[in-house]
Amino acid sequence: NAGVTQTPKFQVLKTGQSMTLQCAQDMNHEYMSWYRQDPGMGLRLIHYSVGAGITDQGEVPNGYNVSRSTTEDFPLRLLSAAPSQTSVYFCASSSTNRINTGELFFGEGSRLTVL
Amino acid sequence: DQQVKQNSPSLSVQEGRISILNCDYTNSMFDYFLWYKKYPAEGPTFLISISSIKDKNEDGRFTVFLNKSAKHLSLHIVPSQPGDSAVYFCAASAAGSARQLTFGSGTQLTVLP
Repeated sequence: NAGVTQTPKFQVLKTGQSMTLQCAQDMNHEYMSWYRQDPGMGLRLIHYSVGAGITDQGEVPNGYNVSRSTTEDFPLRLLSAAPSQTSVYFCASSSTNRINTGELFFGEGSRLTVL
Repeated sequence: DQQVKQNSPSLSVQEGRISILNCDYTNSMFDYFLWYKKYPAEGPTFLISISSIKDKNEDGRFTVFLNKSAKHLSLHIVPSQPGDSAVYFCAASAAGSARQLTFGSGTQLTVLP
């Protein structure tokens, strides 16, 4: 069981470059989301999706784009990377039942450094 | 404005003793509270949750207590084991079309053998 798979695990970008963090889940979960983790700040929600074709903003959406064309995939796009986007990014998914209590399944994370 | 606060960045406990991790919240709309555990280089994993209609939930060595009047919850681990050494995140959510979790900043628990 792969669960939630994130690629790449590590990435270094220069300011202004764009890139996409990939996230795929094989649990047929309706709900998917992206969080960033910064020191001393816990995890903060960037964007989330409750199903294919439906996305919404979280707490810190600026500078990021998402789309949900299939149930399995939820890529996160950085349009023009900035040093403030240096962080560890986690993708998470959940079923309709489990999300009612907030239970999420997380990927292993993608560490992004913007120079 | 942090709605979920974990004021202790770290905690060390002797193996076999009780570990108590604390969490405070400010938003009265939160109705579900969760604890996640995170090992280095891994994603957080769900540990235990509690609904606001309860004041205690137990799962094996892990018990979560909720004090709504004080807006405080705690996670008790008894007995603590070296494998419990990890970062523990408290999280809360409010009812809505899609629950958004608000996380605390985490507490690094170290269980000493």
